[in-house]
Amino acid sequence: GAGVSQSPSNKVTEKGKDVELRCDPISGHTALYWYRQSLGQGLEFLIYFQGNSAPDKSGLPSDRFSAERTGGSVSTLTIQRTQQEDSAVYLCASSPGTGAGVEQFFGPGTRLTVL
Amino acid sequence: AQSVTQLGSHVSVSEGALVLLRCNYSSSVPPYLFWYVQYPNQGLQLLLKYTTGATLVKGINGFEAEFKKSETSFHLTKPSAHMSDAAEYFCAVKRGAGGTSYGKLTFGQGTILTVHP
Repeated sequence: GAGVSQSPSNKVTEKGKDVELRCDPISGHTALYWYRQSLGQGLEFLIYFQGNSAPDKSGLPSDRFSAERTGGSVSTLTIQRTQQEDSAVYLCASSPGTGAGVEQFFGPGTRLTVL
Repeated sequence: AQSVTQLGSHVSVSEGALVLLRCNYSSSVPPYLFWYVQYPNQGLQLLLKYTTGATLVKGINGFEAEFKKSETSFHLTKPSAHMSDAAEYFCAVKRGAGGTSYGKLTFGQGTILTVHP
């Protein structure tokens, strides 16, 4: 079956512009996660959704970052007024539940470059 | 709070040699532990996981890992390296029993494995 998909695969933007990153989870997966992978910080948790609500937003680095999930499916991560330090690969993952042993399935990521 | 330390950002082995990637964790409650592999320009793929029960867990592609509570370690091994094993490997911890678990993974910094012919 189809895995987690993310779009765009690559995004180049200018400093100060807003960007939207999209994640399509595996059908039926109730949990959705966003992570960021950057050279200096490694893999960092950003936000978690259970259904359409986000119980944990603790990883969002600033108020320029926001995310939403609609219909318990597609999620969008929005970065406003992008800065060069936002350059990273943004990974989305989904899972059928939140049990500690439940596997998260990752998408291929969106590589964001802020010039 | 939980944390993961991977010893060695780069490991180089010859084809056919033993692969050993080290991972130590810190967790205030019993942890659930994972190893993921990332090939260039791809997302993360689960290699194996430890939840409960047998401390030696076997994964895909001939990899295995042993959970050692006394050493707070979860090292990844493979008896014989193959060229196709070249990738970046991440150890991760998720909070286990005894607290609210919502699935957040805390990752180590990653280890890049190079396999020489």
